[in-house]
Amino acid sequence: IAGITQAPTSQILAAGRRMTLRCTQDMRHNAMYWYRQDLGLGLRLIHYSNTAGTTGKGEVPDGYSVSRANTDDFPLTLASAVPSQTSVYFCASSLTQGPYNEQFFGPGTRLTVL
Amino acid sequence: AQSVTQLDSQVPVFEEAPVELRCNYSSSVSVYLFWYVQYPNQGLQLLLKYLSGSTLVKGINGFEAEFNKSQTSFHLRKPSVHISDTAEYFCAVRSNSGYSTLTFGKGTMLLVSP
Repeated sequence: IAGITQAPTSQILAAGRRMTLRCTQDMRHNAMYWYRQDLGLGLRLIHYSNTAGTTGKGEVPDGYSVSRANTDDFPLTLASAVPSQTSVYFCASSLTQGPYNEQFFGPGTRLTVL
Repeated sequence: AQSVTQLDSQVPVFEEAPVELRCNYSSSVSVYLFWYVQYPNQGLQLLLKYLSGSTLVKGINGFEAEFNKSQTSFHLRKPSVHISDTAEYFCAVRSNSGYSTLTFGKGTMLLVSP
């Protein structure tokens, strides 16, 4: 079934540790996104990628990095996790970054930083 | 820059009653508008979108929304809700010029009780 997969489903992490959240899509979408969802704040864009080999910063990029080596994968790395990064992380993709394209979302990764 | 305001964080209703979830936006340019639904422990799913044309947009599960440019609103409605409509609903806006990111509101939790 075509779609977006994220791993892990959930993770508890000690502060200061490095963590990579994985995201893979099989829809051959050019654009991919990472959001974090926090209660009362909705979804906020962390980083995005318009196409393989390019990335851009969203609304809340600090403390996160991404890479886009190929079309399908868009990992999000927390170099040194802090408790304020406790959140639910959603990966999304769209055919292109054009504004009329629907974004499809993965099931999310629930991250707790202690 | 663009922003979205969802005026109600929670809307409790009884089953088979009508419901309206309010959304207002601000933007200096023309926009595309979206409503997403998030069922418990799942990712977001597109409910409906306004790109152009008729200001009344019909979506999945019997929902509809009306774009009102003069009031900068895009309220979501359903004439008769079901228990299964219990979910969080997010309004989102995107500029229709060039590459732009999707900006989400903070969400409205629709609680349907018997």
